[in-house]
Amino acid sequence: GAGVSQSPRYKVAKRGQDVALRCDPISGHVSLFWYQQALGQGPEFLTYFQNEAQLDKSGLPSDRFFAERPEGSVSTLKIQRTQQEDSAVYLCASSSRGGRTPSDTQYFGPGTRLTVL
Amino acid sequence: GQNIDQPTEMTATEGAIVQINCTYQTSGFNGLFWYQQHAGEAPTFLSYNVLDGLEEKGRFSSFLSRSKGYSYLLLKELQMKDSASYLCATVDSNYQLIWGAGTKLIIKP
Repeated sequence: GAGVSQSPRYKVAKRGQDVALRCDPISGHVSLFWYQQALGQGPEFLTYFQNEAQLDKSGLPSDRFFAERPEGSVSTLKIQRTQQEDSAVYLCASSSRGGRTPSDTQYFGPGTRLTVL
Repeated sequence: GQNIDQPTEMTATEGAIVQINCTYQTSGFNGLFWYQQHAGEAPTFLSYNVLDGLEEKGRFSSFLSRSKGYSYLLLKELQMKDSASYLCATVDSNYQLIWGAGTKLIIKP
């Protein structure tokens, strides 16, 4: 594909609902990242995959957050029992190399804007 | 701790030059990125600096001084489409991107 795509673009959930956010990275990209971006702030790291392996989940704010990338391409970020503080834009990014090469450019998707009522 | 500082908002005139500064304090340093983000859209890559000095790329240039923990993004011949947020991000010792809050640049005709 031409770029990173994410779906849905907008999601409204009632507090306590579970949500699943999808990311389709650029084909062939080894690394995949999830970020959370609050309004007027920079992205904050959530988790990192190299192929299907989740190598870093240090940024996940609680055990309600879970991410997977079972076949090393598409990834899903799941949030259980959503809370109002989960309202944010969730960004996915991919990069071509593994090993978290410092200079490796991350290409971002448009994000999913989650609103929890 | 880790800290990235950028001005919250800047205003400039179409056709002019603007410099957006970024200062950082991070645990380890493996380079610094600048990204552009239009409202409601994905951040898009502008530049990566790991060595001191100025890197020029068309209308945009990025400067880094590692000893001062300082970078700037220079935009020349400003166009209305340059109205966006500009995000500074450093790569720390764990190879994580640490992001600033972004600088909202408003271009006036």
